Amino acid sequence: EAGVAQSPRYKIIEKRQSVAFWCNPISGHATLYWYQQILGQGPKLLIQFQNNGVVDDSQLPKDRFSAERLKGVDSTLKIQPAKLEDSAVYLCASSQGPFRFGEQFFGPGTRLTVL
Amino acid sequence: GESVGLHLPTLSVQEGDNSIINCAYSNSASDYFIWYKQESGKGPQFIIDIRSNMDKRQGQRVTVLLNKTVKHLSLQIAATQPGDSAVYFCAEKGDGNKLVFGAGTILRVKS
Repeated sequence: EAGVAQSPRYKIIEKRQSVAFWCNPISGHATLYWYQQILGQGPKLLIQFQNNGVVDDSQLPKDRFSAERLKGVDSTLKIQPAKLEDSAVYLCASSQGPFRFGEQFFGPGTRLTVL
Repeated sequence: GESVGLHLPTLSVQEGDNSIINCAYSNSASDYFIWYKQESGKGPQFIIDIRSNMDKRQGQRVTVLLNKTVKHLSLQIAATQPGDSAVYFCAEKGDGNKLVFGAGTILRVKS
């Protein structure tokens, strides 16, 4: 079974530029999560989707971050404009259903560096 | 709470010894806990979970202990191997049914 796919793996941008990350979850997984992991810290949930609807985006900085999952499969996370403090690894995860954290599979992440 | 930034606690153990990684959680209402392993360049990988109605759960070479009185969780790894070297995170299912991760502990296994 293929795992969660993410691209790109690495991205370097200047502050105030825009960037987008892509995630393809495990086939059949209805729930998709985006996490931000700052170096030396544990992941922090940014947004959770159930199919193409948002379940929780309470920790998403909505003035600059946006995410969508239009067809209930792939998802994109965008930052516009980026700040230095956005430098982190952005992890995508998926599970068959909501709150099934023990069955949540993570992708390898996209490492973002903002200069 | 404050993170420890780059200065994660580190546990160094000899290959073959047992490892104990500790975690203090913050929310007394949390009812579900997970331990994850994260290797360099990879996403976190599920190791073992435990519900708050249990105080111990065993897996293959791993045991999780939960002490709700002092809000403490530990992960015991038996016969630690070089492949166990990674960062270990505990996570609790907190308010709003979201996972809240701890800061992590680096495990280094010496051969």
